[in-house]
Amino acid sequence: GEDVEQSLFLSVREGDSSVINCTYTDSSSTYLYWYKQEPGAGLQLLTYIFSNMDMKQDQRLTVLLNKKDKHLSLRIADTQTGDSAIYFCAERDYGQNFVFGPGTRLSVLP
Amino acid sequence: NAGVTQTPKFQVLKTGQSMTLQCAQDMNHNSMYWYRQDPGMGLRLIYYSASEGTTDKGEVPNGYNVSRLNKREFSLRLESAAPSQTSVYFCASSEAHSTSYEQYFGPGTRLTVT
Repeated sequence: GEDVEQSLFLSVREGDSSVINCTYTDSSSTYLYWYKQEPGAGLQLLTYIFSNMDMKQDQRLTVLLNKKDKHLSLRIADTQTGDSAIYFCAERDYGQNFVFGPGTRLSVLP
Repeated sequence: NAGVTQTPKFQVLKTGQSMTLQCAQDMNHNSMYWYRQDPGMGLRLIYYSASEGTTDKGEVPNGYNVSRLNKREFSLRLESAAPSQTSVYFCASSEAHSTSYEQYFGPGTRLTVT
């Protein structure tokens, strides 16, 4: 079946850039998403990219998509302590199916 | 707009007890979902409803039932709770005709089964 993989942990220093990586298996994915989950809360959409795009930039966030390798990344520039959270990669196929990765816990060190 | 609301926020059950988790959305979305979140496993889809009056099984439906009461409300029922159902449960909704099809999530229900 479809699968989305992410590393589980990432630590960075405040002010550095963070890069969170994701790989997926479904070649029919239409949209790919990055969600952020803060402690005790639900998931909030950070950004998304349509499968015919290579890159999308939104303020401090840059999403890169390599369709050939089925690799998605999220770069957070000038990472702040408020960016500490769990980040989920998710993909949606032509149907109603969303598949989420296990989440990457980002810790920002002062 | 409240978005997606879930009740209760926390619940402790004994093995064999039953309960219903409630979810409502005020965004007029057609599609609604129930997920469970377990450490290191991300979100797994339990059931979803593409529109009022329809429900379909997701990845992990065993031990659960759902009801799409109307367009706003989608409830999840545990008939006989088991310790393996200890988890955080999230309800979500989406609109099939939006630009991004994104899902909007509720705050979650933290369920412990002893």
